[in-house]
Formats: sequence, C-alpha cells, structure tokens
Amino acid sequence: AQSVTQLDSQVPVFEEAPVELRCNYSSSVSVYLFWYVQYPNQGLQLLLKYLSGSTLVKGINGFEAEFNKSQTSFHLRKPSVHISDTAEYFCAVREGSNFGNEKLTFGTGTRLTIIP
Amino acid sequence: NAGVMQNPRHLVRRRGQEARLRCSPMKGHSHVYWYRQLPEEGLKFMVYLQKENIIDESGMPKERFSAEFPKEGPSILRIQQVVRGDSAAYFCASSTYLEETQYFGPGTRLLVL
Repeated sequence: AQSVTQLDSQVPVFEEAPVELRCNYSSSVSVYLFWYVQYPNQGLQLLLKYLSGSTLVKGINGFEAEFNKSQTSFHLRKPSVHISDTAEYFCAVREGSNFGNEKLTFGTGTRLTIIP
Repeated sequence: NAGVMQNPRHLVRRRGQEARLRCSPMKGHSHVYWYRQLPEEGLKFMVYLQKENIIDESGMPKERFSAEFPKEGPSILRIQQVVRGDSAAYFCASSTYLEETQYFGPGTRLLVL
C-alpha cells in the first residue's frame, strides 16, 4: 500500500517569490507520481507527472517537480508565483504497473495563497 | 473533445433519501474511478470500474453505497438512505486502458440536511 504526506497544509507566499510544496511518499513497489491543482469549487487539473526517465519533470503554468527516489520525495516548485496560482495542490501516487491497483492515493493537500 | 462530465454539480438531500451521482467519462475512456473528498481533506479512492465490471471496490463503504458502469450510459454512484456524514464532494475520473493519467470531472457536491 502507498501513502503520501504533504506536511504543509497552508503556504502563504508573496507574489513573484519562489515556492516549494513538499511531498513525500512511501511504497514498497515502484510508483508513478502526480501533482494536481484544484481551484475553488472545481475539479482537479493535472499539473505534471513522473512515470520514468528524467527525474526533473516540467508541467503547466511554469511548475516543475523533482523525483528523488532515495528521499522518497516529489517536491513541486515554481520560481516566481502569480496571484492566479492561489489554489489547493495535491500530490498523488499510484503503483507503477498497468495491471490493476490503478487507484490514486492522495495527500491531504497544500493550500497555496499568493499575497499581492 | 469534451472532458469528464458529472451531474448534478450540486445535490441536496434530506437524511434517509437516495442520492444518484452520474459520471460520463471522456470519449474513448473505458475506465472510471470514483473518489470522495470530505471537507478539509484530500481525495479518498472509493471504486474503480470498467464497462460492466467492478474492478476494485476496496474504498467503498460496506453498506448503502453502490456503483455501476453499464455498457451504455454513464457511470452511477448510488447512496441509499443518506446521512449527514455523506456530505462531501464526489469526483469521478476516467482513463483509457494502460493510460497512467486519470482525468477528473468537476465533481458533485452533496449536502445532506
């Protein structure tokens, strides 16, 4: 079974400052990792994903994340945030296999608030 | 290509009534997942279905909850005799066979009075 920990429930950041949202996971098997963003009263939108290959993955809206297997982490970063980045961010993991066990396990989310 | 559709977007029920939530996956997607998001919490997996088959229902409460994905038509999540604790946002996601990414709908927000 997998689990995901997002230690920071709320992160306030000034506009144009950099941000890092932390995500750690635990799993006994290989995994796929995802970051989703949820704007108020909306569904989840995929920001980026790590399946294999390069450990640095780039996503939409200027976000990127780095997979670190030894530290079991998949932190999300953006060098300069904008007001429109205010949202809830969820890290998720699933077993890295195409056969069964395809459910996603989510962290509890990090609320990113951009301060003008 | 339309995304994942869910209806209704908001649903109000009184305790003891039934709630039916519908999900139409993206065109060409044959896999559907239901997740529940309780207030101030992350999403929790409920059930994974393919057409006419329940593949994994390990996250479904044992009573009152059921799900189906018929050969024709949307997937349905049914909650019988709702209680206040069922108030939550219910999200549906879909994917194709062997696709790693799940695409989410806008959710149905259920309020039980």
